[in-house]
Amino acid sequence: GQNIDQPTEMTATEGAIVQINCTYQTSGFNGLFWYQQHAGEAPTFLSYNVLDGLEEKGRFSSFLSRSKGYSYLLLKELQMKDSASYLCAVMDSNYQLIWGAGTKLIIKP
Amino acid sequence: GAVVSQHPSWVICKSGTSVKIECRSLDFQATTMFWYRQFPKQSLMLMATSNEGSKATYEQGVEKDKFLINHASLTLSTLTVTSAHPEDSSFYICSARAGFAGDHQPQHFGDGTRLSIL
Repeated sequence: GQNIDQPTEMTATEGAIVQINCTYQTSGFNGLFWYQQHAGEAPTFLSYNVLDGLEEKGRFSSFLSRSKGYSYLLLKELQMKDSASYLCAVMDSNYQLIWGAGTKLIIKP
Repeated sequence: GAVVSQHPSWVICKSGTSVKIECRSLDFQATTMFWYRQFPKQSLMLMATSNEGSKATYEQGVEKDKFLINHASLTLSTLTVTSAHPEDSSFYICSARAGFAGDHQPQHFGDGTRLSIL
């Protein structure tokens, strides 16, 4: 079956760095997406990785290792507004998105 | 760019009522639109995928006659919850994607519709 694993919840301190991991087992791979979802709101697109390596976008970076079925989202200089759920999603061989359950990130002052 | 508008954002209605939710891509043509449902503290659940001009593809366990989807144009898809009951109360979210499946385009989400059936 297809499976996306990410931690249920993480806590970090304002100004610090946090890494949210995602491992996947899917039928085929056509890229991995990270989305941010604030409570009661719809997800917003953060990043897309299809090749191995690190993609950097300001305070957010996303890494992919296809051979390990592994990705992480790195958030630097954490701000209180970064408190949200972070969803990992993999596009399988049928170009369907398989969603992880999300990681709830709690930022403390 | 890539703005998706979803209306209404909040609906409260009596049991047995049919509710229509609209999803529009404002600044791009959405060849594919997706409808999701999300219960509190749970992950997104894909309900159906719709391609413009063709019938929607429903996920297993989703009743086609209960959740009617129409994707009449490249910028508009609608979801109608027919004869809604309290168990249909949920957060419904649409997303839209430009290009075709192999283009690896991200899905862009509307703001969601919170549906409460009394």
